Amino acid sequence: EIVLTQSPGTLSLSPGERATLSCRASQSVSSSYLAWYQQKPGQAPRLLIYGASSRATGTPDRFSGSGSGTEFTLTISRLEPEDFAVYYCQQYGTSLMYTFGQGTKLEIK
Amino acid sequence: QVQLQESGPGLVKPSQTLSLTCTVSGGSVTSGDYYWSWIRQHPGRGLEWIGYIYYSGITYYNPSLKSRIAISLDTSKNQFSLKLISVTAADTAVYYCAGGYSSVDYWGQGTLVTVSS
Repeated sequence: EIVLTQSPGTLSLSPGERATLSCRASQSVSSSYLAWYQQKPGQAPRLLIYGASSRATGTPDRFSGSGSGTEFTLTISRLEPEDFAVYYCQQYGTSLMYTFGQGTKLEIK
Repeated sequence: QVQLQESGPGLVKPSQTLSLTCTVSGGSVTSGDYYWSWIRQHPGRGLEWIGYIYYSGITYYNPSLKSRIAISLDTSKNQFSLKLISVTAADTAVYYCAGGYSSVDYWGQGTLVTVSS
């Protein structure tokens, strides 16, 4: 089973700053099958990025995904107040299972 | 636009069976485009994939829950369902139904299920 480890656990930044969130896999993951989600309190998660770097419908272009193999990154180029939330990475692998990372909380500094 | 809505009891007694149903609108559970999933989130914790069902009826389950769960389709009602047997307090969580293939594209709003006597 592939384990996804996200870092940092909490990231404290100010609006306007750049955020870099990391997702590391215990084994190589197909880039086609790596996704990122945003979750705000009391809401369901929302798909942001799929295929490691493709923005989902409605995802602002300040969000970008990159990476391959075991290292993936979600970058928010310039933080807006509505971006402060918890972010999860997720993979779908040869075992046909979904696994999620434990999440990174992006909080206002 | 696919929309999903969970329904079922919000309170289940220990050792009993948790049963939830997801009604799909704007799409069909017989579509081969998606897996129809159940995902849960313990209070204040991260996301845990429970399992999914494909339009053909094939199911895939989280190995840690496999012995206790069953996911089924009701094509006549455009619904899919989750049954989790022998629940304990550790099964208290928000349960989401969802749809997608390699990513989870669509999510229900989630329903809190509390296991308590």
